[in-house]
Amino acid sequence: EAGVVQSPRYKIIEKKQPVAFWCNPISGHNTLYWYLQNLGQGPELLIRYENEEAVDDSQLPKDRFSAERLKGVDSTLKIQPAELGDSAVYLCASSAGTAAFGEQFFGPGTRLTVL
Amino acid sequence: AQSVAQPEDQVNVAEGNPLTVKCTYSVSGNPYLFWYVQYPNRGLQFLLKYITGDNLVKGSYGFEAEFNKSQTSFHLKKPSALVSDSALYFCAVRGLGGTASKLTFGTGTRLQVTL
Repeated sequence: EAGVVQSPRYKIIEKKQPVAFWCNPISGHNTLYWYLQNLGQGPELLIRYENEEAVDDSQLPKDRFSAERLKGVDSTLKIQPAELGDSAVYLCASSAGTAAFGEQFFGPGTRLTVL
Repeated sequence: AQSVAQPEDQVNVAEGNPLTVKCTYSVSGNPYLFWYVQYPNRGLQFLLKYITGDNLVKGSYGFEAEFNKSQTSFHLKKPSALVSDSALYFCAVRGLGGTASKLTFGTGTRLQVTL
């Protein structure tokens, strides 16, 4: 069974440029998460989807970040415009349900460097 | 608000010796506790979880964790460490309902196992 797929794995852009990350969750997983992981820190939730609906986006900086999950499968996270402080690893995860005890499966992440 | 503390940035242990990676948590209500491991350039991998029942939980790769409610701790343990266990370990807690249903991670502990 394929795991969570993310692309690109690495991205280098100049500040003020737009950037987009793509995630394909494990087949059948209805819940999808985007996390931000800064160097030396644990992942922090940006947004959680249940099927197509964003049920928790309280930590998403909506002035520059946006996300979508059309058809309840793949998801895209966008930053426009990027700032120097956005340099981090962006992780996507999925789970089979929304129950608190369900484990999440993580992709390898996209490492973003903003110059 | 829920939180996780991993008091050690790094744990060093010789191969064959027992290891412990410490974690304490704070959450309203019953905690759902998780350990994840992160290898270089890879996403987080689920190791084990505590939901209810036996306080000693067994997980992948010979790891186990002990839930202690009175000390609000969930320490990760392994009887005999391997060099291949060297990685970054994250403890996480999840509550129930609203934003408390999100997974909150600690800052991580780097485990270094040497020959």
